Amino acid sequence: AAGVIQSPRHLIKEKRETATLKCYPIPRHDTVYWYQQGPGQDPQFLISFYEKMQSDKGSIPDRFSAQQFSDYHSELNMSSLELGDSALYFCASSHRRGPQETQYFGPGTRLLVL
Amino acid sequence: AQSVSQHNHHVILSEAASLELGCNYSYGGTVNLFWYVQYPGQHLQLLLKYFSGDPLVKGIKGFEAEFIKSKFSFNLRKPSVQWSDTAEYFCAVRGNDYKLSFGAGTTVTVRA
Repeated sequence: AAGVIQSPRHLIKEKRETATLKCYPIPRHDTVYWYQQGPGQDPQFLISFYEKMQSDKGSIPDRFSAQQFSDYHSELNMSSLELGDSALYFCASSHRRGPQETQYFGPGTRLLVL
Repeated sequence: AQSVSQHNHHVILSEAASLELGCNYSYGGTVNLFWYVQYPGQHLQLLLKYFSGDPLVKGIKGFEAEFIKSKFSFNLRKPSVQWSDTAEYFCAVRGNDYKLSFGAGTTVTVRA
């Protein structure tokens, strides 16, 4: 079965640079979630989109922005990168059918900021 | 907002031993509960989920979990672990806002 695809899988950036992370949801999934998992930490919710509209916002810095496109893929744009942004960024997708919704996670993008 | 507490940070056990990982949550409304597993270097995979109905849910790889509403708990169990169960286990709660709130995770190390 098709899974969530994330690219790139690994990314190394310098401080103050920008990065763009991409997420391709499972086919027919209309909802995308972004999570950040710091070293040794649990995943923290950043932002989500449903039917190309932002639906929820978590602890996402103002330096970050995201959007969901017409083909339902999503991009997380990160500017003015800081050392503390080094983390594993997961994307999850779901078919938002209400109470029975289940999120399926991608392999993540490991970002290292030097 | 919901929150999740996992009691054990690191559990070490031998193959064939039984495993139980504790998970408690706090949320005033209806919750959906999940256990995800993260094998070394891999992404989060769904082990099992509870939405409603029978509070004892069975998942993949022989895992099961019991939802006890009165105790706000959703403990994960496996009667006999294998070396391949070495991983990090996350309990997660979803309220009406759809986003998942994760516990801090429990690292399980199974000795061969």
